[in-house]
Amino acid sequence: KAGVTQTPRYLIKTRGQQVTLSCSPISGHRSVSWYQQTPGQGLQFLFEYFSETQRNKGNFPGRFSGRQFSNSRSEMNVSTLELGDSALYLCASSLDRPSYEQYFGPGTRLTVT
Amino acid sequence: AQSVTQPDIHITVSEGASLELRCNYSYGATPYLFWYVQSPGQGLQLLLKYFSGDTLVQGIKGFEAEFKRSQSSFNLRKPSVHWSDAAEYFCAVAQGGFQKLVFGTGTRLLVSP
Repeated sequence: KAGVTQTPRYLIKTRGQQVTLSCSPISGHRSVSWYQQTPGQGLQFLFEYFSETQRNKGNFPGRFSGRQFSNSRSEMNVSTLELGDSALYLCASSLDRPSYEQYFGPGTRLTVT
Repeated sequence: AQSVTQPDIHITVSEGASLELRCNYSYGATPYLFWYVQSPGQGLQLLLKYFSGDTLVQGIKGFEAEFKRSQSSFNLRKPSVHWSDAAEYFCAVAQGGFQKLVFGTGTRLLVSP
C-alpha cells in the first residue's frame, strides 16, 4: 500500500505571497492532519480533517487554512506568507478512532524569502 | 494542557551499546503514547505505540518502550544500537478522542563507531 504523499517536496516563496500544499493519504485513511516543524518551535499541530470537515485545530493564525476533498486528499493554504512560515510541513493520515496511529508523509519544505 | 518532555537534546552511543531515550508526559487521563523517528530530510516513522494493556510494548527495528504511570514516563530502549539508528527521536502523546499529537522537542541520537 502506498504511503502518504506530499507535493511539492520543496517550495520557495516570497514574503506576502500565498502557497498551497497538497497531501494524499494512505488509501482507506479518512483522517488527515497537518503539522509544522521548525527548529525553534518543534513539531506543532495545525489542524485535522475528517470527511471534509475540520475536526480539530491548533493555535495558528487564520492565515493558515485547509480543506479536505471527498477522496480524503487534503490541501493546506498559507496566505500572506511571513519569513517565520519557513518550515517543514508534514501531513499525516490515519484511520479513524479508536486507532490513533498517524502515518506521516515526507513533508514539504517551504522557504519564504 | 498536555505536554511532553524529552530531557536529552543529544545522546551519543557507541555502536553495539544499549540505548535508552527518556520521555515524560503530563496528561490527566490515560495517555496514548508514541515514539517516532525522523531521519534527515524525511518525515516521521512510527516506531511503537501504547494505548493500554501490557506496559512493555515492542516496536519495529528492535525498539521497545515501557509505560510507567507512577513516573509519567514512556522511555524508549534498544539493547544494541546500529549505526543506521542515528536519527532524531520524538515522543508524542495524543489526547483520547482527538487526532492531535503533542510532541516533545526530540532527542538527536549520534552513533559512534
